Amino acid sequence: QKEVEQDPGPLSVPEGAIVSLNCTYSNSAFQYFMWYRQYSRKGPELLMYTYSSGNKEDGRFTAQVDKSSKYISLFIRDSQPSDSATYLCACHSGGYQKVTFGTGTKLQVIP
Amino acid sequence: SQTIHQWPATLVQPVGSPLSLECTVEGTSNPNLYWYRQAAGRGLQLLFYSVGIGQISSEVPQNLSASRPQDRQFILSSKKLLLSDSGFYLCAWTGLATDTQYFGPGTRLTVL
Repeated sequence: QKEVEQDPGPLSVPEGAIVSLNCTYSNSAFQYFMWYRQYSRKGPELLMYTYSSGNKEDGRFTAQVDKSSKYISLFIRDSQPSDSATYLCACHSGGYQKVTFGTGTKLQVIP
Repeated sequence: SQTIHQWPATLVQPVGSPLSLECTVEGTSNPNLYWYRQAAGRGLQLLFYSVGIGQISSEVPQNLSASRPQDRQFILSSKKLLLSDSGFYLCAWTGLATDTQYFGPGTRLTVL
């Protein structure tokens, strides 16, 4: 079993829809949770960063962490064609510990 | 602000040829540096990480090696490339004041 599981998609939604992207993890030591956006043939770009459980909002993006169920989510409101990319979740336990990444979910927002 | 550079952006090499990919970070000191390989549908594979000059930890035994000759420079090398070395190579850094990793633009390597 992988430490971080993520549905690879692809996920296709119409423009303006609310998108929900999810990951599950198995390591209870994980304290830090990130979401990266990766456009085709580009490096991953950090979108959201959350410590421990709770919600964090940044514009159209909301990251949610539920440590009791080991479940992390990224919500995108009013999705735009420019949101079409692969989204990677990532977890680590802090300090200089290694980051564990999901395999990514490919999202396509159709105009 | 911090920036991370990688070059070359793309590379096509024959099997058996040597490899040298370079990564440099600007705007920070004593970063932790990482080399990842990303293959289609397989996510990010950590290859090497370094916590300081000359300090390299290998995650996956293979024909690749890494070196850190300067504080903000990280090099990925191979003496003889294999077909299976093809992929998208990403360099990343983490600083003392951050618990997140920031990635460079990547190098797309095709071994023929």
